[in-house]
Amino acid sequence: GQSLEQPSEVTAVEGAIVQINCTYQTSGFYGLSWYQQHDGGAPTFLSYNALDGLEETGRFSSFLSRSDSYGYLLLQELQMKDSASYFCAVRQTDSWGKLQFGAGTQVVVTP
Amino acid sequence: EAQVTQNPRYLITVTGKKLTVTCSQNMNHEYMSWYRQDPGLGLRQIYYSMNVEVTDKGDVPEGYKVSRKEKRNFPLILESPSPNQTSLYFCASSLSSQGGQPQHFGDGTRLSIL
Repeated sequence: GQSLEQPSEVTAVEGAIVQINCTYQTSGFYGLSWYQQHDGGAPTFLSYNALDGLEETGRFSSFLSRSDSYGYLLLQELQMKDSASYFCAVRQTDSWGKLQFGAGTQVVVTP
Repeated sequence: EAQVTQNPRYLITVTGKKLTVTCSQNMNHEYMSWYRQDPGLGLRQIYYSMNVEVTDKGDVPEGYKVSRKEKRNFPLILESPSPNQTSLYFCASSLSSQGGQPQHFGDGTRLSIL
């Protein structure tokens, strides 16, 4: 099996940079995904890392290091609208189709 | 508009009364899945379906049933609901089960079992 660990909450001011770590224990997976969820809303896909390294999508970047068993989501130039929960997720190799999410990190952006 | 539609959005019901939450997608996606979300636990997968007539258990399947008779629909059935199934439920779909395929989520169904 696998488990993904994320910090429960991060607080930062507008314009700052926030890094959300996701550490995992796994026997194998197909890559690391990140999702954003605003209060009461549907999660939306942000990024996917199939290989080690950094993927950049505008103000958001995601990183994966399989050798270190961790990844992170980097939020730059924080805006108030970035206040949301962020989830990492992996699709297991030993159970094709199964998808597992971390418990989520609540990001609070203050003025 | 490409979307995943869940119904109902809200439901309050009583223990033991069978209920079905419908999920439909209009994107011709092969992969569909149900999740429940509880405070502090994130999204936990209940069941998933790789294609028509192919379903499998996620991490928390007890007390739930699903079926996939058509590609677009993936209903979640609670045969005898209990209070511990009170939760926020999401249906999602993706083009396939390939690793990087993004999940498209419905707006959620808030279920209260009294």
